[in-house]
Amino acid sequence: GENVEQHPSTLSVQEGDSAVIKCTYSDSASNYFPWYKQELGKGPQLIIDIRSNVGEKKDQRIAVTLNKTAKHFSLHITETQPEDSAVYFCAAFRGSGNTGKLIFGQGTTLQVKP
Amino acid sequence: GAGVSQTPSNKVTEKGKYVELRCDPISGHTALYWYRQSLGQGPEFLIYFQGTGAADDSGLPNDRFFAVRPEGSVSTLKIQRTERGDSAVYLCASSPGGLAGRLRASTDTQYFGPGTRLTVL
Repeated sequence: GENVEQHPSTLSVQEGDSAVIKCTYSDSASNYFPWYKQELGKGPQLIIDIRSNVGEKKDQRIAVTLNKTAKHFSLHITETQPEDSAVYFCAAFRGSGNTGKLIFGQGTTLQVKP
Repeated sequence: GAGVSQTPSNKVTEKGKYVELRCDPISGHTALYWYRQSLGQGPEFLIYFQGTGAADDSGLPNDRFFAVRPEGSVSTLKIQRTERGDSAVYLCASSPGGLAGRLRASTDTQYFGPGTRLTVL
């Protein structure tokens, strides 16, 4: 089955610096890759996603890149702010017909120091 | 509210008891998912509904777990004879859904609720 590996497990950066989180997936049929931000005591919140027909997507300070050949994708946060501190999860989705489920990475705890 | 809601937010029960967890998806969303998240881990898939039917229940750990969605909207996750290892946050998500076999731009995005924290003593 699908497996998603996420690195690093923890990441500490200074405010204003960039943060990069990387994920690899095993199922070449996966076609949708969302990123979620989860704050303490809350459910995961979608922050950006990318589909397999696109190599890069950007939304203000957040960008995601996808390399289908290597089966890895990355989250880039620029100009980090203290409110970016949270746990970030990558996921892979293999949707086909009436089945499909998100397979999550293990999570990255991001700490942005003021 | 426009988001996914889950009740209760917290549930404490004793080993061996029966519990029900409720999920109200975003209005109009035909797809509904249940996940379980243990401390320090990513969510793990349990079951997926398309409309009223369970299209994929491969993630349910054993036959103590069961979920229903009788009218294609609200869903209930039911756990019988709870065990301490069932303690976790149970997350519900919904997505717009789509036609079988066709990838649509908005169909795959899953929106999560706040979760129910289940503690089995």
